[in-house]
Amino acid sequence: KQEVTQIPAALSVPEGENLVLNCSFTDSAIYNLQWFRQDPGKGLTSLLLIQSSQREQTSGRLNASLDKSSGRSTLYIAASQPGDSATYLCAVDKVREGQKLVFGQGTRLTINP
Amino acid sequence: DGGITQSPKYLFRKEGQNVTLSCEQNLNHDAMYWYRQDPGQGLRLIYYSQIVNDFQKGDIAEGYSVSREKKESFPLTVTSAQKNPTAFYLCASKPTGGFSGYTFGSGTRLTVV
Repeated sequence: KQEVTQIPAALSVPEGENLVLNCSFTDSAIYNLQWFRQDPGKGLTSLLLIQSSQREQTSGRLNASLDKSSGRSTLYIAASQPGDSATYLCAVDKVREGQKLVFGQGTRLTINP
Repeated sequence: DGGITQSPKYLFRKEGQNVTLSCEQNLNHDAMYWYRQDPGQGLRLIYYSQIVNDFQKGDIAEGYSVSREKKESFPLTVTSAQKNPTAFYLCASKPTGGFSGYTFGSGTRLTVV
C-alpha cells in the first residue's frame, strides 16, 4: 500500500530564508508527484507536477525534485515571503491497484516578517 | 476560465438527513474524485469516476453515494449512515491518461448541527 510522509509537520522561519520541505513515499510505481498549496479553509492549488521520468520542475521561486528510486521528493522555496505561509501537500499518483492520488499529511509553513 | 465549481461553500446537516454536495467542471476531464479532509488526517479518497455512468469506491466510501450521469458533474450524497460527516470535502478532476495532474475545487465545509 502506497504511503506518503511529509517532514516536518510544521515549520516557522524568518522572511528571506531559503527552505526545504521533504516528502517520502513507499512505492516507486507512480505516474507523477504533485505539490499543492492550501490556505486555511480553501481548496488546493497545484504548484508543481513532476512526471515519473523527470527529475525536477521549477516555477518562479519554487523548485521540486524527484528521486523515484529512493522514494523522495523535496520542495525548495527560495527567498521566502510572508505570503508563502500556507500548508504544503505532497501527493503521488500511484499505478498499482488503480490510479489514485495519495496524500501526505502536509507541512504547515509560517514565514515571519 | 476553466475550473471546478463546488457548491455550496458551507452546508449544515441535521441528524438523520441526507445532503448532496455539488461538483461541476468545465475542463473536459474524464476522471473525477471526491476527497474528505479532517484535521490531522490528511485527504482521504471517498469515491472516484473515470468515465460517465461508472464509479468506484475509495478508501472511506461507507455512508456516501455518488452518481456520474454527465461528464461535467459528479455529485456526492452524504447519507444518514455516515456517522461523523463533519469535514471539509474536496472535489478533483483530471484528464484521461497517467501523466496529467489533478485540479481541485475550492471545497465544501459540512457541519452537523
